[in-house]
Amino acid sequence: DAGVIQSPRHEVTEMGQEVTLRCKPISGHDYLFWYRQTMMRGLELLIYFNNNVPIDDSGMPEDRFSAKMPNASFSTLKIQPSEPRDSAVYFCASSLRGQGYTEAFFGQGTRLTVV
Amino acid sequence: AQKITQTQPGMFVQEKEAVTLDCTYDTSDPSYGLFWYKQPSSGEMIFLIYQGSYDQQNATEGRYSLNFQKARKSANLVISASQLGDSAMYFCAMREVNTGNQFYFGTGTSLTVIP
Repeated sequence: DAGVIQSPRHEVTEMGQEVTLRCKPISGHDYLFWYRQTMMRGLELLIYFNNNVPIDDSGMPEDRFSAKMPNASFSTLKIQPSEPRDSAVYFCASSLRGQGYTEAFFGQGTRLTVV
Repeated sequence: AQKITQTQPGMFVQEKEAVTLDCTYDTSDPSYGLFWYKQPSSGEMIFLIYQGSYDQQNATEGRYSLNFQKARKSANLVISASQLGDSAMYFCAMREVNTGNQFYFGTGTSLTVIP
């Protein structure tokens, strides 16, 4: 398996623009997580899905952020409009339920810079 | 309350020496998993080791071992015979089986191996 695939790897955009981050989880995994990593706040869980259904989006910072999972092999995280404080590395991770003993597999991350 | 606490922002260790990275956790779920991840400067998140709440023995994976003290709710990572390539951020994480199945991450410990 190719692992969790995120695109793009790097994104530079101007403030006010819409940004869409993409994620393809590992086939067969039923959990998908979106994280944001910054120096100030560390690794934050934004939202996660189980069987394509959003379970907890309490980590989404504000209404400018939205996430979808239209099918088991694809998810998007959208920021509209983007702001400089959204600059961070965004990770997607997937996992099996596995009674707790299955790890989260992370993608390579998308480094977002909003100027 | 924090689910995962890592109290050592930075650690230094001499090459070939052993080092212990601390992690304490907080949960009332009897079924949970504990994980350690390594994040080198290149940015990817690498899974290292797992310990289940019902496991009787401490987990080991090569030079990594997890010192699991259930009563103290601690899950310290021990790296033996440190190598220069071990220099990285290390994150402790927990997954509660009966409460949402999401992963909670600590703030991380930056480890520097000195030649």
